[in-house]
Parts: sequence; structure tokens; C-alpha cells
Amino acid sequence: DVKVTQSSRYLVKRTGEKVFLECVQDMDHENMFWYRQDPGLGLRLIYFSYDVKMKEKGDIPEGYSVSREKKERFSLILESASTNQTSMYLCASSPPTIEAFFGQGTRLTVV
Amino acid sequence: RKEVEQDPGPFNVPEGATVAFNCTYSNSASQSFFWYRQDCRKEPKLLMSVYSSGNEDGRFTAQLNRASQYISLLIRDSKLSDSATYLCVVNPMDSNYQLIWGAGTKLIIKP
Repeated sequence: DVKVTQSSRYLVKRTGEKVFLECVQDMDHENMFWYRQDPGLGLRLIYFSYDVKMKEKGDIPEGYSVSREKKERFSLILESASTNQTSMYLCASSPPTIEAFFGQGTRLTVV
Repeated sequence: RKEVEQDPGPFNVPEGATVAFNCTYSNSASQSFFWYRQDCRKEPKLLMSVYSSGNEDGRFTAQLNRASQYISLLIRDSKLSDSATYLCVVNPMDSNYQLIWGAGTKLIIKP
């Protein structure tokens, strides 16, 4: 079974804090993704990575950065958290056949 | 117009009934299509891929209509456990590894 693990299920952070969301997959997948999901908007891609140290911006990269130093780990960084970044964050990984496997999600609240 | 559109529902359906919903997409060059299922407060999971010839998996049937640019999902003999949000996903194949997600259709099966 593919396992994608996100470091936290729930997080509460203050405005202006630097926030790290970690994601680890155990299937040696090349591709990893960070999405946010908001009611009525569906999943929106923040960043994706197709190899170690490689990253590409998705649809809504502003206010975020990512790091992929090892193949199994893809980190999302909120440089200075703001209330409009309150959301559900979903990490996914996929092999080249593009079926995506998701982590359990992190519900982030910025106060 | 959104790239991928779904009726948000909710569809309230009695147990045992047949229910169908559609998803329209705007990019006529799109090549790959999927239905994902997402339970409340859980991550999305692949339900089925959608092939040009249509495909069936037990009580679930997925169809693709390229001329009208929509995909459909039909659920027969619905069960209480089918209650979930169903996400339509399109791969336009003109960008690297990017999937376009619908906002989902909520299905509630009532006893």
C-alpha cells in the first residue's frame, strides 16, 4: 500500500509565523504535489516537484515556498502566515502514470 | 468559465436508487480523466479512471463524451456508504503533470 504521511492533522498558527508542513511518501514516486482545498473551490495546486531539488509553481504559489532535498520528502513553507492561508492542505505523490495518492491532510488555522 | 465544472449538489438519493452526475471540461485536448471519492474530512482517493470506451467497476460506470466535453459517473443500487463527495479530475496534458480538479459533487444516500 502506498503511504503518504503528513506531519500534522491540525495546526493553529499566529499571523506572521513561519509554518512548515512536511510530507513523506514511501513508494519512491518521482512526483509530489502540494494542494490546498477550500469549500466550493476544489483542489488548487500550490507547487509540485518532479525530482529532487526540482520544483515548479502551480496555480497559487504566492506566499508559499517548497523544498525537496530528498525524493521521499516534500515540504511546504508558509513564509509569513496570513489568515487567508487558513485551509486544508493536501500533499500527494504519484508515479509517471499520474494517479495521485494523498496524505491525510493538514487543517491549518491562522489566527 | 471554470476549466472543470461540477454541480456541487448535494444530491439526496434514497438507498437502492440509481444516481448519475456529470462533469464538464473546457480543454478539448484533454486526454486523461478520473473520478475521485472524498469522504468528509478525509483525503481524496481514486475511484476510477475514465476511458474513451467507458468503463464499469461493479455498481459504478464512468463514461466520456468528447463531443460534448463531459464525463459522467453512474452509481447503481446506491448504498449508504456511497455518501461522499465525488471529484472530477482532468489532465489537459499540455502542462507538466498538472491535474485540473473539479470542486466536487456531494452525494447523500438516505435510508
